[in-house]
Amino acid sequence: DGGITQSPKYLFRKEGQNVTLSCEQNLNHDAMYWYRQDPGQGLRLIYYSQIVNDFQKGDIAEGYSVSREKKESFPLTVTSAQKNPTAFYLCASTRDRGWNTEAFFGQGTRLTVV
Amino acid sequence: AQKITQTQPGMFVQEKEAVTLDCTYDTSDQSYGLFWYKQPSSGEMIFLIYQGSYDEQNATEGRYSLNFQKARKSANLVISASQLGDSAMYFCAMREAGLTGGGNKLTFGTGTQLKVEL
Repeated sequence: DGGITQSPKYLFRKEGQNVTLSCEQNLNHDAMYWYRQDPGQGLRLIYYSQIVNDFQKGDIAEGYSVSREKKESFPLTVTSAQKNPTAFYLCASTRDRGWNTEAFFGQGTRLTVV
Repeated sequence: AQKITQTQPGMFVQEKEAVTLDCTYDTSDQSYGLFWYKQPSSGEMIFLIYQGSYDEQNATEGRYSLNFQKARKSANLVISASQLGDSAMYFCAMREAGLTGGGNKLTFGTGTQLKVEL
């Protein structure tokens, strides 16, 4: 079955550590996205990539980094510069950059700083 | 300015009744798409319905319909015959064509928590 796989489902980070969240899709979609969800704030865009080897900052990119070396993979690194990383992270993909294509989402990764 | 505004943080509805979840949007683009997603407590995002800016008819998908009023910039979701399984968070989202320089990222509202009661 085609879909988006995020791993791990739960992640715990110590203060000052970098952690990487995995996102893999087998839908052959061109575009991929990372969102952060905090209670009461909906989904906020961190980074997005419309093609391999290219990506753009979203609304809250500070403290995060991404890469897009393969079409099917878009990992997100939460760096120590991100002061409040505890949140629910969702990865999504769309077939292309068209404005009329819906996004498919992974199951999410819940990150907690301990 | 908020691109997507959902003014109802929480809603209650009785089983088998209809409910309307409000969504207003702001864009200068002529070409854009409006989407509704459902998020159960498990956290997954489920696509429900889509309305394009050029679509003259309101979109419908089973028990879901989208009340699209372009001049008012509103895209309300109507759920008919509510079921207990409809209890979830509902998000309105918009993607613009990006011709006015804003890019074509998918922007979400803050959501409405719907609770269906017996």
